[in-house]
Amino acid sequence: GQNIDQPTEMTATEGAIVQINCTYQTSGFNGLFWYQQHAGEAPTFLSYNVLDGLEEKGRFSSFLSRSKGYSYLLLKELQMKDSASYLCAVRPLNSGNTPLVFGKGTRLSVIA
Amino acid sequence: DSGVTQTPKHLITATGQRVTLRCSPRSGDLSVYWYQQSLDQGLQFLIQYYNGEERAKGNILERFSAQQFPDLHSELNLSSLELGDSALYFCASSEKKTGSYGYTFGSGTRLTVV
Repeated sequence: GQNIDQPTEMTATEGAIVQINCTYQTSGFNGLFWYQQHAGEAPTFLSYNVLDGLEEKGRFSSFLSRSKGYSYLLLKELQMKDSASYLCAVRPLNSGNTPLVFGKGTRLSVIA
Repeated sequence: DSGVTQTPKHLITATGQRVTLRCSPRSGDLSVYWYQQSLDQGLQFLIQYYNGEERAKGNILERFSAQQFPDLHSELNLSSLELGDSALYFCASSEKKTGSYGYTFGSGTRLTVV
């Protein structure tokens, strides 16, 4: 089966750094995605990792360790607008078209 | 605007009724995916179509069905609705081979069953 775990909620202070962890157990692996979702809105793509290591994109970075089934999303210089849910998703099989499996999301609250 | 269009944005209906949700994928995308998102639940995969054919099925109830038409738009039909079917229903589309961008999501249809 497919299992993706991430913390339910996190709180961090404006201007700080926060790390959101994700662990996964899936049948096969062909990429891990992070999405941001504001309440009641559509998820929007943040990052993609398919090889081990860190991918940096502005204030957001994402890390992957395939051997550990582990990823994290790092958000730097937090802003109030970063308050949202962050969804970890895995493409389980070796195909570019396989449906993504999503975790339940981590609701991040940024406080002043 | 993500390029994926979903209609309607909101739908309120009674138990036992049937509704149809519509999705037009981003131009050039051949794959359409339907997901359900309930309160406190993650995005649950329902069904995938690729170029008019069903490609994968997830946790889709027998009361639910979908299809993709020749112009690539897709419809999700929900029948004999129950209170528990109240949720956000998202459609997403993707390119055929370029997997690195995952999906582009539509803005969703919020279904309320009363």
